[in-house]
Amino acid sequence: AQTVTQSQPEMSVQEAETVTLSCTYDTSENNYYLFWYKQPPSRQMILVIRQEAYKQQNATENRFSVNFQKAAKSFSLKISDSQLGDTAMYFCAFKGAQKLVFGQGTRLTINP
Amino acid sequence: AAGVIQSPRHLIKEKRETATLKCYPIPRHDTVYWYQQGPGQDPQFLISFYEKMQSDKGSIPDRFSAQQFSDYHSELNMSSLELGDSALYFCASSSRGAYNEQFFGPGTRLTVL
Repeated sequence: AQTVTQSQPEMSVQEAETVTLSCTYDTSENNYYLFWYKQPPSRQMILVIRQEAYKQQNATENRFSVNFQKAAKSFSLKISDSQLGDTAMYFCAFKGAQKLVFGQGTRLTINP
Repeated sequence: AAGVIQSPRHLIKEKRETATLKCYPIPRHDTVYWYQQGPGQDPQFLISFYEKMQSDKGSIPDRFSAQQFSDYHSELNMSSLELGDSALYFCASSSRGAYNEQFFGPGTRLTVL
């Protein structure tokens, strides 16, 4: 069974700083997708960024980028120039052939 | 762009009552997923449907059942509700053969008293 681990329950940084959230996963599948979801206080699940396992190039979406290390089964999220609106729970998620599996989440607080 | 619609957004029930949650996927999406997120927890996969057939099953209690209809909307039926069923229930939809990205609805907050 696939597992996703986020080892940082909480993180806090100052506005405009850069922050990196860690995620590791375990799977025996070769083809899969990895996602970072953001869940603000509204509790809406918002897709931040996605990565296809067969792509070596790290995905980037504006201020958000990932460091995907397939051999190490690591998928970290970097948020540059952090903003107050980035305050949220961040979930790393794995999707293989079937269901989406989430990590435990990291609560990120951006301080003014 | 149209998003996933869930109704109701909030629901309060007594123990042992039944509840029905509805999900309307994004147009042309043929796959629907249900998740349960307890307080302070990550979302847990319950069940999914592709083209009206159950495609995968997770940690869904026997008291719960679900189905997908011909218009692709889905309903999650919950019977003999327990206090522990209080949670946020998400529906997500995707288009099979696309990127596999799941688009989440706003969730239904169920409170069991």
